[in-house]
Amino acid sequence: AQKITQTQPGMFVQEKEAVTLDCTYDTSDQSYGLFWYKQPSSGEMIFLIYQGSYDEQNATEGRYSLNFQKARKSANLVISASQLGDSAMYFCAMRWYSGGGADGLTFGKGTHLIIQP
Amino acid sequence: ETGVTQTPRHLVMGMTNKKSLKCEQHLGHNAMYWYKQSAKKPLELMFVYNFKEQTENNSVPSRFSPECPNSSHLFLHLHTLQPEDSALYLCASSQPGTSGNEQYFGPGTRLTVT
Repeated sequence: AQKITQTQPGMFVQEKEAVTLDCTYDTSDQSYGLFWYKQPSSGEMIFLIYQGSYDEQNATEGRYSLNFQKARKSANLVISASQLGDSAMYFCAMRWYSGGGADGLTFGKGTHLIIQP
Repeated sequence: ETGVTQTPRHLVMGMTNKKSLKCEQHLGHNAMYWYKQSAKKPLELMFVYNFKEQTENNSVPSRFSPECPNSSHLFLHLHTLQPEDSALYLCASSQPGTSGNEQYFGPGTRLTVT
């Protein structure tokens, strides 16, 4: 069974500062994928970034980067130069294989990030 | 329309009602998913469809009945629900075989069972 742990229920950060959201995972699979999603108050889950278990370089997408430490089983999200619009719930997720070709995702409980002016 | 759409956005129903949630994706994906998001709980995968075939039923009660007539449309039929079924129901789609196979979500249907 797979498990995602996000230990920060909430965070307050000053605008323009960098923020790191923690995520640790547990799996016995050798091949897996890790994702971060953003959920604003409107409810929609927005895909931010993906890291494959065999990727040697940390993934980056604009202001988002994923600090992947495979030996420690951690996949922290780093947001540089935070903006007020970054205030939202952030979820770490792991892909698992359903056997039929499509994959499911296991999510963590999320971190509520609030950016203060 | 672009992306993944869901209707209705809000639904209030009694325990004896029958209703359906609709999801449509305009991304050309072949896999579709239903998730349930309850307060203070992680998102829970309910059903997975790949090329219209159901490949995963995550021990969901039979009062939830999915239907996938084609790769672009997914329904969730609801009947005799319980108050604890009140939640945000999210639909997603993805393209299996791609590098990340990342899932793209719709805005969700906020369901309240009275």
